Amino acid sequence: NAGVTQTPKFRILKIGQSMTLQCTQDMNHNYMYWYRQDPGMGLKLIYYSVGAGITDKGEVPNGYNVSRSTTEDFPLRLELAAPSQTSVYFCASSYSRGNQPQHFGDGTRLSIL
Amino acid sequence: AQTVTQSQPEMSVQEAETVTLSCTYDTSESDYYLFWYKQPPSRQMILVIRQEAYKQQNATENRFSVNFQKAAKSFSLKISDSQLGDAAMYFCAYRRANYGGSQGNLIFGKGTKLSVKP
Repeated sequence: NAGVTQTPKFRILKIGQSMTLQCTQDMNHNYMYWYRQDPGMGLKLIYYSVGAGITDKGEVPNGYNVSRSTTEDFPLRLELAAPSQTSVYFCASSYSRGNQPQHFGDGTRLSIL
Repeated sequence: AQTVTQSQPEMSVQEAETVTLSCTYDTSESDYYLFWYKQPPSRQMILVIRQEAYKQQNATENRFSVNFQKAAKSFSLKISDSQLGDAAMYFCAYRRANYGGSQGNLIFGKGTKLSVKP
């Protein structure tokens, strides 16, 4: 049982480049999330999805886009990378019941230079 | 909006001793869930313990227990018999209980870095 899988684990981008962070879960969770973690801070929500075909913005969505074509996959796209997007990105998934924990991927460390 | 505050950026404990990490939160809702997550240097987010707000009994998981004070909006984590492997960042998190089709995301504090001395 793989849980939540994120790729890549590390990436360096140049300013203005674009990339997609991949996230896949095999637990049949309907809810999926993208968070970013800046140094010395907790995680902040970028985007979330309550099911295939349904996505919505979180607290810090600017500069990002998402899609959810299947239950399993929830990719995060950076269109024009900026230094402010240097961070660690976590994908998470859960069932819709609030007492069920969110399962996290191992994170992607992204540096924009 | 809900907020979570961890007032201790860093804590230190001697191996085999007990340490308590503090967390307070602000919400106008009566039904919610609280979590403690551990983040070791490997960067994984590992669930340590969770508490349902409607339960008066404090949650316990082996050496980890919480002191949940609903009226005071306080949710501290006690680690007993501390081990070297407990060294990590610890995050307190809040989640609404009834969010239907809306976010249902976790709201995190800034974390407490725990060091364990041999």
